[in-house]
Amino acid sequence: EAGVAQSPRYKIIEKRQSVAFWCNPISGHATLYWYQQILGQGPKLLIQFQNNGVVDDSQLPKDRFSAERLKGVDSTLKIQPAKLEDSAVYLCASSYAGTGGIRDTQYFGPGTRLTVL
Amino acid sequence: QKEVEQNSGPLSVPEGAIASLNCTYSDRVSQSFFWYRQYSGKSPELIMSIYSNGDKEDGRFTAQLNKASQYVSLLIRDSQPSDSATYLCAVNFGTGRRALTFGSGTRLQVQP
Repeated sequence: EAGVAQSPRYKIIEKRQSVAFWCNPISGHATLYWYQQILGQGPKLLIQFQNNGVVDDSQLPKDRFSAERLKGVDSTLKIQPAKLEDSAVYLCASSYAGTGGIRDTQYFGPGTRLTVL
Repeated sequence: QKEVEQNSGPLSVPEGAIASLNCTYSDRVSQSFFWYRQYSGKSPELIMSIYSNGDKEDGRFTAQLNKASQYVSLLIRDSQPSDSATYLCAVNFGTGRRALTFGSGTRLQVQP
């Protein structure tokens, strides 16, 4: 089975520019997660979707970050305008049911490495 | 703020030894616990999951959970240089939040 797909893999922008990342989850997975991983830290959840609805966006900086999953499949995460501290790897993950239990494994995509200059 | 704490390391062990990685978490009602391995420049991959007190073994890996002490550990037996990576502890804190909270990871170095 195909894994979680993300693009682009790398992106370099200047501060105050905008950027968008795309994620396609594993087929049949209802739950999609966007995590931010700053160098030397663990992934931090930005937003969680269940189908096309938002389950948790409590840690999403909504003044500059937005995300959508319009048809309950692929998703886009946008940053506008970017700041230096947004430099990080943006990981997309998906799981079948989104229960958080040990049988509901989260599978991660390869990530997008963003550098803001 | 629910937190997951790990020693950043590096933890250095010789090849063939047992590597012991530790993690503490802040909330007694936490439900499920995960260990992910992350190679440099790669995404996390799941190694083990555990939800009940005691030990759970899978090949060379053993996860240990002590909910009373709010402590979860990962033992890697017969460590190999290919085990050199960062190991992330993740907790599902429940209470309606289904995503994972990750620690900052412990970097393991297995010396040949």
